[in-house]
Amino acid sequence: DSGVTQTPKHLITATGQRVTLRCSPRSGDLSVYWYQQSLDQGLQFLIQYYNGEERAKGNILERFSAQQFPDLHSELNLSSLELGDSALYFCASSVEGGSEQYFGPGTRLTVT
Amino acid sequence: GESVGLHLPTLSVQEGDNSIINCAYSNSASDYFIWYKQESGKGPQFIIDIRSNMDKRQGQRVTVLLNKTVKHLSLQIAATQPGDSAVYFCAEIAVSGGGADGLTFGKGTHLIIQP
Repeated sequence: DSGVTQTPKHLITATGQRVTLRCSPRSGDLSVYWYQQSLDQGLQFLIQYYNGEERAKGNILERFSAQQFPDLHSELNLSSLELGDSALYFCASSVEGGSEQYFGPGTRLTVT
Repeated sequence: GESVGLHLPTLSVQEGDNSIINCAYSNSASDYFIWYKQESGKGPQFIIDIRSNMDKRQGQRVTVLLNKTVKHLSLQIAATQPGDSAVYFCAEIAVSGGGADGLTFGKGTHLIIQP
């Protein structure tokens, strides 16, 4: 158990819809990262938050957004969903300046 | 395109043998090179990292080698056990003042342990 929790575990929704994925980092970790894992794109970094502020952006679509709240939990919002957004979405956390990231169990999103 | 990649999608080894998983990278500006293990149905798990100014680092049953001349990273697992069956990813990361940036992952090698 990494100490990172993600909800829900599974999510099935239709094209055009909007969903919110939730992540609670390990106690004491200020950085939260979101990753997408799919068969064709592999594991891709989406976005990073550090102590409530956006710190780095990766291959995140404009239809996707995230935020980190004062209690350090984070939410990833995916809107106008397309079939190609079906993937595993992982949240990870780390201490300040750490290269070691702790991954949650993931949320499997299926868009039908 | 990808800044890190792996040579083999699948590697099959006998239980008890040593395993070597290889990775090529292209971004020399990364600060750390890292190996992650992902078991079926789980998130990636950190194994070991190596700072860009080092060439070897050892952990428990694992050794990571970094050859900056040819931009090559390898993970050696000693005395492979059934629990080592997983997909192994190399990754790279840049670290700056406010913390570490996102990981850039390679495609992964599936390590299969034969009894």
